[in-house]
Amino acid sequence: AQKVTQAQTEISVVEKEDVTLDCVYETRDTTYYLFWYKQPPSGELVFLIRRNSFDEQNEISGRYSWNFQKSTSSFNFTITASQVVDSAVYFCALSEANRGYQKVTFGTGTKLQVIP
Amino acid sequence: GAGVSQSPSNKVTEKGKDVELRCDPISGHTALYWYRQSLGQGLEFLIYFQGNSAPDKSGLPSDRFSAERTGGSVSTLTIQRTQQEDSAVYLCASSLDSHEQFFGPGTRLTVL
Repeated sequence: AQKVTQAQTEISVVEKEDVTLDCVYETRDTTYYLFWYKQPPSGELVFLIRRNSFDEQNEISGRYSWNFQKSTSSFNFTITASQVVDSAVYFCALSEANRGYQKVTFGTGTKLQVIP
Repeated sequence: GAGVSQSPSNKVTEKGKDVELRCDPISGHTALYWYRQSLGQGLEFLIYFQGNSAPDKSGLPSDRFSAERTGGSVSTLTIQRTQQEDSAVYLCASSLDSHEQFFGPGTRLTVL
């Protein structure tokens, strides 16, 4: 069974601070995908990144960066120089490549509040 | 370039009534998912459609919930004899083959 744990329920930071959102996953598969989604106050989930289990390279996209470590089953997300627009709920998710379809398991989300 | 659309955006109903929620996926997307998100909670998987294969209904919480997808496109989620605990935001997502899901804006269901 697959499981995604986001231990941080809520985080508050002051604008321009860096913040890291933690994600720990469990899976028995050797082939899987990891995702991060953002859900702003408007409610619509927005895809941020996908990572497959064979690619442990860290990724940077502007102020966003992701640290994938299979050894600790973690896929953490860092926002550098946070901005008020980053305030949202962030979900980490996992899907196992299983016979041609992928059932995605989401974590419970981390609510990030960036204070101006 | 339309995204995933859902209707209605809000639905208020009385306990015991049936409701239908609609999802229009992105054209050409073969996979369609329904999730439920209760206030302040994560996403709860409900059902998954992939092409012409039998849907994965393993997440439906009770037999009051059902869904269909006609012609491999539009999907309808039906909740019969609604209960107050059914109140939530119902999210639909579609995807092609890359696992990345595109979400609709959701339908907020309130059962009085």
